[in-house]
Amino acid sequence: DGGITQSPKYLFRKEGQNVTLSCEQNLNHDAMYWYRQDPGQGLRLIYYSQIVNDFQKGDIAEGYSVSREKKESFPLTVTSAQKNPTAFYLCASSIPPGQGNNEQFFGPGTRLTVL
Amino acid sequence: KQEVTQIPAALSVPEGENLVLNCSFTDSAIYNLQWFRQDPGKGLTSLLLIQSSQREQTSGRLNASLDKSSGRSTLYIAASQPGDSATYLCAVNSGGSNYKLTFGKGTLLTVNP
Repeated sequence: DGGITQSPKYLFRKEGQNVTLSCEQNLNHDAMYWYRQDPGQGLRLIYYSQIVNDFQKGDIAEGYSVSREKKESFPLTVTSAQKNPTAFYLCASSIPPGQGNNEQFFGPGTRLTVL
Repeated sequence: KQEVTQIPAALSVPEGENLVLNCSFTDSAIYNLQWFRQDPGKGLTSLLLIQSSQREQTSGRLNASLDKSSGRSTLYIAASQPGDSATYLCAVNSGGSNYKLTFGKGTLLTVNP
């Protein structure tokens, strides 16, 4: 099956801890994205990567970090500097524009709760 | 800065009714527009994508239209079913350097049997 997987489904973090959310895709997509979803708000872009070993900050990157060492993987680290990390985190991937229509496909999400 | 608004925020209809969900955006210079469905606690499922050069797209009982000049898109659902109950999200891709999606807050649809 082709698709995007995210793990874990639920994650609990204590104050001051860094945690890493996993995102893997087997769609052979070059571009990958991380979004955050809060109740009553639209999804907001945290980081994106158009190609391996390259990534760019989105609208709300403070307190987050990413890496893109492999085409299939785009892990997100929520650091202790993120003041309000409790949210639903969604990973997406797409064929970059110019190679296709840039339709974005989403994973099942990780719900992060700070204790 | 692109802003996306969805009206209504919530909609409750009886089964079998045809319905329209609305999405408006402030900057008409878009690359494409996507409609998604989200079930509670789940990820997003892509329903339809309309390129900026297109006027509409259809998939089964769903039809999405795009009017760039007026900054509007509609999602038409024919013969609604209880299984259509979900939150529907509109997202605009403005192109540029990152091709990010700007999302509306969604319309929560309930179809009553």
